[in-house]
Amino acid sequence: EAQVTQNPRYLITVTGKKLTVTCSQNMNHEYMSWYRQDPGLGLRQIYYSMNVEVTDKGDVPEGYKVSRKEKRNFPLILESPSPNQTSLYFCASRAYRGSSYEQYFGPGTRLTVT
Amino acid sequence: KQEVTQIPAALSVPEGENLVLNCSFTDSAIYNLQWFRQDPGKGLTSLLLIQSSQREQTSGRLNASLDKSSGRSTLYIAASQPGDSATYLCAVDTGFQKLVFGTGTRLLVSP
Repeated sequence: EAQVTQNPRYLITVTGKKLTVTCSQNMNHEYMSWYRQDPGLGLRQIYYSMNVEVTDKGDVPEGYKVSRKEKRNFPLILESPSPNQTSLYFCASRAYRGSSYEQYFGPGTRLTVT
Repeated sequence: KQEVTQIPAALSVPEGENLVLNCSFTDSAIYNLQWFRQDPGKGLTSLLLIQSSQREQTSGRLNASLDKSSGRSTLYIAASQPGDSATYLCAVDTGFQKLVFGTGTRLLVSP
């Protein structure tokens, strides 16, 4: 089954404790990205990757890192989490369809930083 | 800067009603517009993708239209069912390697 998977699905942590949220897709997509969703703000892009070893900042990259060493994986790293990073996080990949791209999203990771 | 607005923010209807969800965007230079469904505790499910050259797309009881010149899209749901209860998001692809999302319409269909 074609899908984007994320782990963990739920995470409660404390301020300053480094964490990694994994993302994997089995569709051989070159493009992957991370979004966060907050009430009243919608989804906002954190980082994206056009291909292996190619990453770039989105709209809200502060406090986050990413890496793309393999095509299928795109982990999101919070080196020193803070309470304002409490959010619902989505990983996505995309495929070319018709004359533009269609995005596919993972199930989300709900992160709470205390 | 592209901004996407969805009205209403919440909608409650009895089962069987036909309903319309609205999405507006400020910049008509888009590649496509995508409607998603979001269920609590689950990810985003793509419902319909409308290319910039298209006027509408249909899937089952769902029909989405796109009017680029006026910056509007509507999602029409026919004969609503309780299983349609969810949050519906629209998002536009502006060609800058990201989607710009609206804040969604939370739909509740009561039996």
